[in-house]
Amino acid sequence: NAGVIQTPRHKVTGKGQEATLWCEPISGHSAVFWYRQTIVQGLEFLTYFRNQAPIDDSGMPKERFSAQMPNQSHSTLKIQSTQPQDSAVYLCASSWDWEYEQYFGPGTRLTVL
Amino acid sequence: GQQVKQSSPSLTVQEGGISILNCDYENDMFDYFAWYKKYPDNSPTLLISVRSNVDKREDGRLTVFLNKSGKHFSLHITASQPEDTAVYLCAAGSFMQQGTGSKLSFGKGAKLTVSP
Repeated sequence: NAGVIQTPRHKVTGKGQEATLWCEPISGHSAVFWYRQTIVQGLEFLTYFRNQAPIDDSGMPKERFSAQMPNQSHSTLKIQSTQPQDSAVYLCASSWDWEYEQYFGPGTRLTVL
Repeated sequence: GQQVKQSSPSLTVQEGGISILNCDYENDMFDYFAWYKKYPDNSPTLLISVRSNVDKREDGRLTVFLNKSGKHFSLHITASQPEDTAVYLCAAGSFMQQGTGSKLSFGKGAKLTVSP
């Protein structure tokens, strides 16, 4: 039973470039969450989908960040014009539904030079 | 501000002892409380969770205690082993706020070291 899959595991971009991060939730899970982890801020919520519909994006920076879930098997987080402060580990989690335990993927470490 | 706080960033326990990790929260609406374990360069792994309708939950060597009036919950690990050495993150959510409360708020983590 595969867990949450995230690709790539590591990504290095130059300042101003675009980065797209992928997440495949656990099969059968209807809720998908994106979090960001930094040393300074810790683990912070970004956005969340339920049955592919966006429910809460209160943690997303208003500019440059966007997330989609085009089908039940994957979600993407896109960062346009990346900045050094975007460097972090981006974690995707999924749960059976919105009120159940969340299980995390391995994360994507984004480094913006 | 930080809705979930772990006041002690590190803890060292002798092998075989009891490790106690603490977490305080601010939001009265939180009704779901969890502890995650994290190794360096790995993602958080769910250890144990509890809903607000109980004040204690045990699972093997792990016990979560919830004190809603004090806005505090803790993780007790009995018979601590060197392999318990890791960072422990507490988390809380408002699952009864259908939909929008599902996001988890995390503490910044506490490093537990179990020495042989």
